[in-house]
Formats: sequence, C-alpha cells, structure tokens
Amino acid sequence: DAKTTQPNSMESNEEEPVHLPCNHSTISGTDYIHWYRQLPSQGPEYVIHGLTSNVNNRMASLAIAEDRKSSTLILHRATLRDAAVYYCILRDPPLISNFGNEKLTFGTGTRLTIIP
Amino acid sequence: KAGVTQTPRYLIKTRGQQVTLSCSPISGHRSVSWYQQTPGQGLQFLFEYFSETQRNKGNFPGRFSGRQFSNSRSEMNVSTLELGDSALYLCASNKGQSTEAFFGQGTRLTVV
Repeated sequence: DAKTTQPNSMESNEEEPVHLPCNHSTISGTDYIHWYRQLPSQGPEYVIHGLTSNVNNRMASLAIAEDRKSSTLILHRATLRDAAVYYCILRDPPLISNFGNEKLTFGTGTRLTIIP
Repeated sequence: KAGVTQTPRYLIKTRGQQVTLSCSPISGHRSVSWYQQTPGQGLQFLFEYFSETQRNKGNFPGRFSGRQFSNSRSEMNVSTLELGDSALYLCASNKGQSTEAFFGQGTRLTVV
C-alpha cells in the first residue's frame, strides 16, 4: 500500500481555518486520496476524497497538488467539534468490478486540537 | 437510515476464553470490514467480507476469525484470548467498489 505522511499533531484556534497536510510521494496514477477523522470515543468517519481536482463538501475542502504528491485538508472555520485525529489514506479507484477491496490502511494521523 | 451497529459495546473476558463480536451493517451494504485499534499499534485491518466470503485478510494470527451471513451481518471471533487482545474492535460497512466506509462505534474488549 502506498504510504502517507502526516504531522503527529496540530493546534488551531476556534473559528479559524485549519490546513492539515499530507504527503504521499509514492502515489500511483490511479490512487484516490481519502480523508477520515476519528472523534474521541467514536469510530472513524469519512470526510472527503479526490483524485486530481480540488474538492469541496459540507464538511471540508481538499486541495491536491498538481503533481499529486501532497494534499491538504481544509476546515474553513474550525469548531470545538472538529477536534479529532485526521487520517489521510490512499485507495484504489471506485470500480464496478472492484469488490473485496475495501481495506483502509490507517497511518498515525494528525491529532487536531482546537483552542477555544 | 440506521448506521452500523456493533454489539456489545463493552466486554470483559479472562485470558484463555473466547469471544464473539457482532456487526450489523447499513442496509444494502454488502461489504463488512473489521479493524483492531490499540494505543500502540493504531488502527489495523483484520479482515473483510463480501457476499459471505472473506476477500481480504490482515496480518493477525489464526485465533482471529470471522464470518458473514446472508443478510450481510458479520461476526468476528477471537479464541484463546491474550492480554494483548485488549482493544477497540471496529466494524465498517460499505457498498463495495472502494466507496465511502461507515464505521460503528466499536466494541471495547478488555482481557484480564
């Protein structure tokens, strides 16, 4: 599995934007970049994913470098509820024939602390 | 729509015993994966089931096993429990095709 590298921890002030970086220099041309987060005492939850173009959803934005060797998860206005461990994961592309390939390889992630 | 349900939420077992954990996926989801989370090793993949067949397996000893039923519900079993098996066991379901995974809240297993 292609490897990702993230900072162990980050802090941000409440109501400020947060940029969480992820390096994936060995990414293959077809790997998708997925982000999950795990709030305290919860299972991980999906945040966002993308391939090449920047992506936005109600939770966050994903900015992908032109060479795809790095990406940044952006929380536009952090709240205390965003305090969690954020994981950047590379995955095979979603294909109709791609059954039995749902394994997620979690790294150590980034522990995000929000300061009130 | 109901989420992924794991039972029980908490469990205390003695070394040498065996344990069975249950996972009910989201309706319509045919893939169920299991993960072990410990402070030392983080989140590690155990195995994945799709249409009642194990499709993928992580690097765990044979004491860890699982199965999936025709209604997609899954169970995992750990035999001859060791202290190091104390962990949060998480189940995830999805539709397949490398789509978004939905996780349950986990079963916290303590082996004493």
